[in-house]
Amino acid sequence: DVVLTQTPVSLSVTLGDQASISCRSSQSLEYSDGYTYLEWYLQKPGQSPQLLIYGVSNRFSGVPDRFIGSGSGTDFTLKISRVEPEDLGVYYCFQATHDPFTFGSGTKLEIK
Amino acid sequence: QVTLKESGPGILQPSQTLSLTCTFSGFSLSTYGMGVGWIRQPSGKGLEWLANIWWDDDKYYNPSLKNRLTISKDTSNNQAFLKITNVDTADTATYYCARIEGRHYFDYWGQGVMVTVSS
Repeated sequence: DVVLTQTPVSLSVTLGDQASISCRSSQSLEYSDGYTYLEWYLQKPGQSPQLLIYGVSNRFSGVPDRFIGSGSGTDFTLKISRVEPEDLGVYYCFQATHDPFTFGSGTKLEIK
Repeated sequence: QVTLKESGPGILQPSQTLSLTCTFSGFSLSTYGMGVGWIRQPSGKGLEWLANIWWDDDKYYNPSLKNRLTISKDTSNNQAFLKITNVDTADTATYYCARIEGRHYFDYWGQGVMVTVSS
């Protein structure tokens, strides 16, 4: 199975600063057709996860442009510029390139 | 407007079969490219993908659950189902269903249903 390793496990950020989360895969996530099924989700406290980024760098509808996904192959990054209070929660990366599909273990973002 | 809502028994005993229903609106599981997935989350822990079903009835399962899973759908009533046989306390979790559209997975999620396995 593909293992997604997220770092850091937790992150404490001052409002207005940038946060960066890494997701490293045990295998390349580029599918045979060239698409990369790497997504990012945010689970706010007490809520269901919500899709932020799909296909490495595409923001889902309504997601602010402060959220920027990047990467390729096995190394991916989610950057949150100008962190706001509503950004707190646990961030998960997810891959659907290889069966079985897998989630990273999560990165908890706290506000200082 | 896309909405999904999970329902289930709440509590069940070890060795029983867990039956979950996902009732959705705002999309059709007969539309090309559409799918529904099931994901679970033990309290205070991370997310685990369980199974997907697609518009063409194609199905994918997480092999870690060793053939205990069955996913199905009722297109005319906008529902998807998941059965887990021979449950154990390790199956205690919040279970979510979520929509899949084309190349983005899980773009809309239900609120989740808590399931407790206890004797």
